Amino acid sequence: AQRVTQPEKLLSVFKGAPVELKCNYSYSGSPELFWYVQYSRQRLQLLLRHISRESIKGFTADLNKGETSFHLKKPFAQEEDSAMYYCAPYYGQNFVFGPGTRLSVLP
Amino acid sequence: EPEVTQTPSHQVTQMGQEVILRCVPISNHLYFYWYRQILGQKVEFLVSFYNNEISEKSEIFDDQFSVERPDGSNFTLKIRSTKLEDSAMYFCASTPARSGYEQYFGPGTRLTVT
Repeated sequence: AQRVTQPEKLLSVFKGAPVELKCNYSYSGSPELFWYVQYSRQRLQLLLRHISRESIKGFTADLNKGETSFHLKKPFAQEEDSAMYYCAPYYGQNFVFGPGTRLSVLP
Repeated sequence: EPEVTQTPSHQVTQMGQEVILRCVPISNHLYFYWYRQILGQKVEFLVSFYNNEISEKSEIFDDQFSVERPDGSNFTLKIRSTKLEDSAMYFCASTPARSGYEQYFGPGTRLTVT
């Protein structure tokens, strides 16, 4: 079965500090890899997808096929980055969401 | 910008009752999904729907669940006889194609079974 792990349930950093949200996925073919974010009282929304290789809101994610990881990084965290972040590989027909990491950026 | 909408935002029902959760996907989208999130747990896939039939369903989506697209705009999830463990947030999502595109999520319906 496809599995996604995000080892940190909660990650607290100070404003301006670097942040890395970890994600590991089980290998089953070549899933498309996404990060979704859910800000307080808002819907789930796409943050970035690997295939487009773009940087959204300063976030980037590096795919490491050898380690089957897709960690999300930002060099300087902002308070408005506080949210739930979900790693979500797309296997064929649906997303398999990770358990999520709550990022709290402290002033 | 078009959005997926869901009604109601919160539904309270008694155990054993039937509930219907409604979603209006983005109008030119072709693939529709239901996910659920039990409080404090991860988002779980329930079912995908395309061309008026189920494409894929998870183990959670048992005989108590059904989906329907009764007209050109609505996409519904029915739970025939609700159980306490059905209490969760239910998210609808839609996408224009099966892969290669992001799924657009609705705001969710919070279902509380008492």
